[in-house]
Order: sequence, then structure tokens, then C-alpha cells
Amino acid sequence: DTGVSQDPRHKITKRGQNVTFRCDPISEHNRLYWYRQTLGQGPEFLTYFQNEAQLEKSRLLSDRFSAERPKGSFSTLEIQRTEQGDSAMYLCASSSGPRFYGYTFGSGTRLTVV
Amino acid sequence: LAKTTQPISMDSYEGQEVNITCSHNNIATNDYITWYQQFPSQGPRFIIQGYKTKVTNEVASLFIPADRKSSTLSLPRVSLSDTAVYYCLPMNRDDKIIFGKGTRLHILP
Repeated sequence: DTGVSQDPRHKITKRGQNVTFRCDPISEHNRLYWYRQTLGQGPEFLTYFQNEAQLEKSRLLSDRFSAERPKGSFSTLEIQRTEQGDSAMYLCASSSGPRFYGYTFGSGTRLTVV
Repeated sequence: LAKTTQPISMDSYEGQEVNITCSHNNIATNDYITWYQQFPSQGPRFIIQGYKTKVTNEVASLFIPADRKSSTLSLPRVSLSDTAVYYCLPMNRDDKIIFGKGTRLHILP
């Protein structure tokens, strides 16, 4: 297992289009997190899963955003009707929960909305 | 969630020891202090974590005084490749991580 994988690494889309990103966590990790990061800022929390259950969603996650984690394995983050303000790096992280107080992050998906 | 304060940026030279101090006055009893490093266009990477006193690994040392209101990340003999953003994060097993802006460390030749 080589860590957290995110696909694609880069995505350019036209305003108004829908996009979907995928995250494959470390296999034994039961917690999965999505963050968004814009230039010069730290990552901002979006949402979090424990196994297949989505336990928390940030107010940043508007109705156009939806995340799933079917069967508690990989996760997808979909943005509908993209806007230029959605341009950012979308980061996924996973953790094993109580036994280790740390996350492993993927390399992110860079979204550019034109 | 504990609020942290760390310098926005720091410069140092290759071969020097760099110390980045973070204050977290209202850290919770069950919080561990964790530091992450982030290079451009990459996700943050775990460096070190501690609860009290001193922790050392192959990358860094972490010093935490008895009152736990601050912590200092120490990077020995930095190189150009240590240029990155460093985040100080109180963490526990129940809450998600809340990132601040971190400290932009720039290593000069």
C-alpha cells in the first residue's frame, strides 16, 4: 500500500460543468477526510467519513457539493455546476482513528474552473 | 478547538538549526501537538507528534513545556529541501484537524 491516492491530479473544467474526484485511502484506515486549499491558505475542512457514514459536513460544503464513501473504501467528491470560486486544491486524508492521532494526506486534485 | 499562533514566515540558512514556536494557550487535556510539513502542490505530511516534554525522530525534535501552552519544532541542520510551510496542530482522536496559515520557512543557500 503506497498511501492515499487521488485521481485526477489536475482537472480543468468550464464553469457550469460537473466534476468528480476520487480518493483511495490507506486500506486499513476507517476515517476519511476531504479538505480544500486555496493559494496561501491552510487546508479547510469539508467533510469526514467513518467507514461509510458521513459524520460531519462543513458549512463550506454547499448544496452543489456531495461526497460519498460506498462500502467504506474509496470516496468521491462531486461538485455540480462549478463556479470559478471552486478553483482550489482538493485534498483527501485518511486515518486509523483512535490509535494514531495523525492523518495521511494524498497529493490532491488541482481544480481550475475557467 | 485550540487556537494556535505561529510566525507567518521565517528565513534561515542551510546548515543552521531552525526552531519554530507555536503558542496554544487553550489546548485541551486530550490534545496531542502535531506538526505537519507541506511542499507546494502536495498534501501536508506528518512530521512529529507529542504530548509533553521532548520527542525526537529522524526528522525533527519537538519540545513541549510542562504547561503545554506552547511547543517548539526544531529542525537540525536544515537544507534547501526543508523550504516548506509548517503547521502546528493540536489534535485528538475525536475532532478533525483545523489548519491555520502555518509558518512559511524559506531556507537560503
